[in-house]
Amino acid sequence: GAGVSQTPSNKVTEKGKYVELRCDPISGHTALYWYRQSLGQGPEFLIYFQGTGAADDSGLPNDRFFAVRPEGSVSTLKIQRTERGDSAVYLCASSFLAGGTSTDTQYFGPGTRLTVL
Amino acid sequence: AQSVTQLGSHVSVSEGALVLLRCNYSSSVPPYLFWYVQYPNQGLQLLLKYTTGATLVKGINGFEAEFKKSETSFHLTKPSAHMSDAAEYFCAVTTDTGRRALTFGSGTRLQVQP
Repeated sequence: GAGVSQTPSNKVTEKGKYVELRCDPISGHTALYWYRQSLGQGPEFLIYFQGTGAADDSGLPNDRFFAVRPEGSVSTLKIQRTERGDSAVYLCASSFLAGGTSTDTQYFGPGTRLTVL
Repeated sequence: AQSVTQLGSHVSVSEGALVLLRCNYSSSVPPYLFWYVQYPNQGLQLLLKYTTGATLVKGINGFEAEFKKSETSFHLTKPSAHMSDAAEYFCAVTTDTGRRALTFGSGTRLQVQP
């Protein structure tokens, strides 16, 4: 596809349930990022993958949050025992990592809006 | 660690007027600075970025921003606002040390009045 895609676009779940959010990056992009955007705020970093491995997971709020990228392409963000405070838009971005610096542009998907009732 | 402050959560201008959205950053090492725009129900789109070199950066849709190290600022401007510019704008910073991820400001919602 032309851009980053995320599924589902909307997810409503009940407190305590498990959810999975999927991100399909731009083909050929080696770096993949997850961010969380709460209402009225800017996106906040969660985790960054370089290839298949999590290069930086320092933004994950607690051990209920986990993400994988087993083949270096599609990534899944997993949230266990969801809480009402997890309600937010979860954004995925990918980049090419040209030159190995932080100057490469991150391309964002439209996000998944998670609502925990 | 780095941070971004965007002064003014809401800015309203008349169509054809100058747009000025303010961004100040904090970083102990040379920063890379970005402006993204977010239209309703759409993903963030890059407007422009500063990495090194020329401090005046031109982006898409007639926007530009100037990196001023002495003022730790990276304000976004456009000479003449258009109705289609109404959106949320985010300033972000990253560096080559520490985490690669972007640190975003809280955003500025731009309204354009006819």
